[in-house]
Amino acid sequence: AQTVTQSQPEMSVQEAETVTLSCTYDTSESNYYLFWYKQPPSRQMILVIRQEAYKQQNATENRFSVNFQKAAKSFSLKISDSQLGDTAMYFCAFITPFIQGAQKLVFGQGTRLTINP
Amino acid sequence: EPEVTQTPSHQVTQMGQEVILRCVPISNHLYFYWYRQILGQKVEFLVSFYNNEISEKSEIFDDQFSVERPDGSNFTLKIRSTKLEDSAMYFCASSDSALGLAGITDTQYFGPGTRLTVL
Repeated sequence: AQTVTQSQPEMSVQEAETVTLSCTYDTSESNYYLFWYKQPPSRQMILVIRQEAYKQQNATENRFSVNFQKAAKSFSLKISDSQLGDTAMYFCAFITPFIQGAQKLVFGQGTRLTINP
Repeated sequence: EPEVTQTPSHQVTQMGQEVILRCVPISNHLYFYWYRQILGQKVEFLVSFYNNEISEKSEIFDDQFSVERPDGSNFTLKIRSTKLEDSAMYFCASSDSALGLAGITDTQYFGPGTRLTVL
């Protein structure tokens, strides 16, 4: 079974600090994608960043970057210069493409991140 | 920027009643999904839909659930006889592809969700 584990239920940092959220996953597949989604208090799911397993280069999106370690099956999210608006639940998610049909996202339990002023 | 929309934002219903949750996926997307999130828990896959048929469904998606694409824009989730444990946030998502090919987006974009409360 494919699983995603986020071992940090809650984290809290001061504004402008850097924070890293951890995620590990388990799969026997070699071709897959990894995502971080953000869920603010409004509960909407917002895509933060995505990483393709075949790419060695770590993805970056402005203040958000990932550390993808394929052999260790680890996919952490780094938020630099954190802002109050980054306060949210963060979900790590994993997907394996099929030859036909559609994919399903497998989500971790989430990390509740609070940015303090 | 195109986005997935969902209606209603909040639905309150009595146990045993039928509900239909509606979604309008991004217009050029071909793959559609429903997920649910019980309060305080992780997001769980319910069903995926492509080419007018279900591609995959989870064990949660039993005979009480059905999906339909009644026209060229809407994608609906019907719960025939709601139970208390169906109370959750239901998210619709869509993607332009699901083939895992290099250069294809495959990213699933989520709607704002419908909060279903079963009394």
